[in-house]
Parts: sequence; C-alpha cells; structure tokens
Amino acid sequence: EPEVTQTPSHQVTQMGQEVILRCVPISNHLYFYWYRQILGQKVEFLVSFYNNEISEKSEIFDDQFSVERPDGSNFTLKIRSTKLEDSAMYFCASKLAGVHEQYFGPGTRLTVT
Amino acid sequence: GENVEQHPSTLSVQEGDSAVIKCTYSDSASSYFPWYKQELGKRPQLIIDIRSNVGEKKDQRIAVTLNKTAKHFSLHITETQPEDSAVYFCAAITQGNEKLTFGTGTRLTIIP
Repeated sequence: EPEVTQTPSHQVTQMGQEVILRCVPISNHLYFYWYRQILGQKVEFLVSFYNNEISEKSEIFDDQFSVERPDGSNFTLKIRSTKLEDSAMYFCASKLAGVHEQYFGPGTRLTVT
Repeated sequence: GENVEQHPSTLSVQEGDSAVIKCTYSDSASSYFPWYKQELGKRPQLIIDIRSNVGEKKDQRIAVTLNKTAKHFSLHITETQPEDSAVYFCAAITQGNEKLTFGTGTRLTIIP
C-alpha cells in the first residue's frame, strides 16, 4: 500500500538556522498539507497546497515558513530562521481530489537548540 | 473558524470492555469527521470517518456516531484489546476548505 514518506526522521538545528523538511506524497494525490504537533499537544494545521500554490494557511505559517513542490514528487517545508518554539513533530499529508481522507507521513521531529 | 473539543483526555478500561470518546464541534458547516489513532512516536492513522449525511458507521469493533443537531460525534470501541492502547484524535473538516481541525486527543489505556 502506498504511503507518504518524510525525511529526515529527526533534525536538530541551532536557533536562527534554516531547515528544509522533505515529503514525498502518495503519487496520484493532488492536495498536500503540513501539520505540526508540539510534544504532548494536538496536531495543528499549517498550510495546504494545491495546483502549485498555497490554498490556505494558518496564523502559525508566518513569513518564516514557505512551501514548495520543486519537482513532480517532492513537497518541502522551509523554515528560514528557526526559533526554539519551532521544535515539534512536523507531519506531511496528502489526499486525492474529490475525497476528504488525508494520509499522513511518519513525521520529522525538529529540535531547535 | 472551527473549534473541536474532545473528552476525556485520558481513559483507562479493562481489556474486553468498551471505550467511548466524545467530541463536539462549533461550525455547523463542518461535513466530514475522521478519527485518527496515534501510537507513540508514529504517524496519525485514519481508523474511521463519517460524513454529515450519515448518523452512524461501523467497522468491526469500532463505530462512530454523529449528532448534527447537537454538533457532537463519538468513537466507540468494543471488546477492547491491548493493541487499542494509543492516543485517539477526532477532527473535523468544514465544507469549502480542506484543513483538518483536530481535537486535543484522548490517551486510551487498555488494562490487561
């Protein structure tokens, strides 16, 4: 069964550094998402992406964040200048057109020191 | 925007007993309600969902009910087993957008 994949599984970075989190959505999916989960808290929506543009973003997704689909398979989340409070698990998700079901990747644990 | 409340935050049940987790939502335009199971350090996995035109859906030992008037939905797990131990999240999607709004999660522990 196809699955969403994410790399790396764990990223440690220093405050102020840029990080890029990578996702490979399920191949025939057209809608892509990033969510984050701070340790012990609920999953929070960051951004949705369809047809090569952002369709919706949350207030968390400020100017320090950006997303890109650089080729036909990858979907990336970039944080330009990381802060301590960016430490969280970041999940990518994808779905088919015309359905609601979103499928999540295994996550990237980002630790900002 | 949508707000989803979930109760209880923790739940312990004896193996073989039933577990019920409840959620309420605020936006009457919400139309899709999935439940995700998250084991420690793993991805959220979709276990069951329900659409607003349906009142109940069942899949083996798990069922979900929806009361649109009261704006609440519940997850029912019968004949619980140790492998049911996990954190369960309810979520909602509002018609017209596609973002999931999650509840705060319920840590379910099955006592052998």
